[in-house]
Amino acid sequence: SAVISQKPSRDICQRGTSLTIQCQVDSQVTMMFWYRQQPGQSLTLIATANQGSEATYESGFVIDKFPISRPNLTFSTLTVSNMSPEDSSIYLCSVEDGRVGSYNEQFFGPGTRLTVL
Amino acid sequence: AQRVTQPEKLLSVFKGAPVELKCNYSYSGSPELFWYVQYSRQRLQLLLRHISRESIKGFTADLNKGETSFHLKKPFAQEEDSAMYYCALNPPQGGSEKLVFGKGTKLTVNP
Repeated sequence: SAVISQKPSRDICQRGTSLTIQCQVDSQVTMMFWYRQQPGQSLTLIATANQGSEATYESGFVIDKFPISRPNLTFSTLTVSNMSPEDSSIYLCSVEDGRVGSYNEQFFGPGTRLTVL
Repeated sequence: AQRVTQPEKLLSVFKGAPVELKCNYSYSGSPELFWYVQYSRQRLQLLLRHISRESIKGFTADLNKGETSFHLKKPFAQEEDSAMYYCALNPPQGGSEKLVFGKGTKLTVNP
């Protein structure tokens, strides 16, 4: 299984600022995903990031608010821009298990707990 | 639209009792369905997937297309089963491998 790390693990930020979250994988993967989990809610996919192409955003999420970089096959960043208290969430990075017969299992990072004051 | 519904936010059972965590989905095609689990202070991880028809840690889940359900069952719950359980759907369209999650059910197994 892939081992995923995220930085920072948590942060408290002021309204109007931006935070960049890093996701590092111990193996090369094609697809990386960014999810948001708001308090008491389920995980919601923000975008899919493939190396060498623009990220694909889900309905309700835009690049200006959540710019994503994917410079290589083991790393991605998600920036939460111009933050407001409504952005307080856990942000999760995941990768797809690309092995044959894996049935599209995803491995998740530990998450970044963001609090916006 | 694809949707996953887990009607129970909280579920509490005693050790040794049977447990069933409900999951219903809405999707017009043939989805891939998963159960993910998050134990306390651990990251989210896959528990089982319908396509492999496996039993993991005593848990099984059967896909019922007629009822659009994928309930998770275990005949004898253990205290270590206490965790947050998420049902997830992968709509196989356009090559996308995204997952749609339910809101989760917190299972507590009491001694």
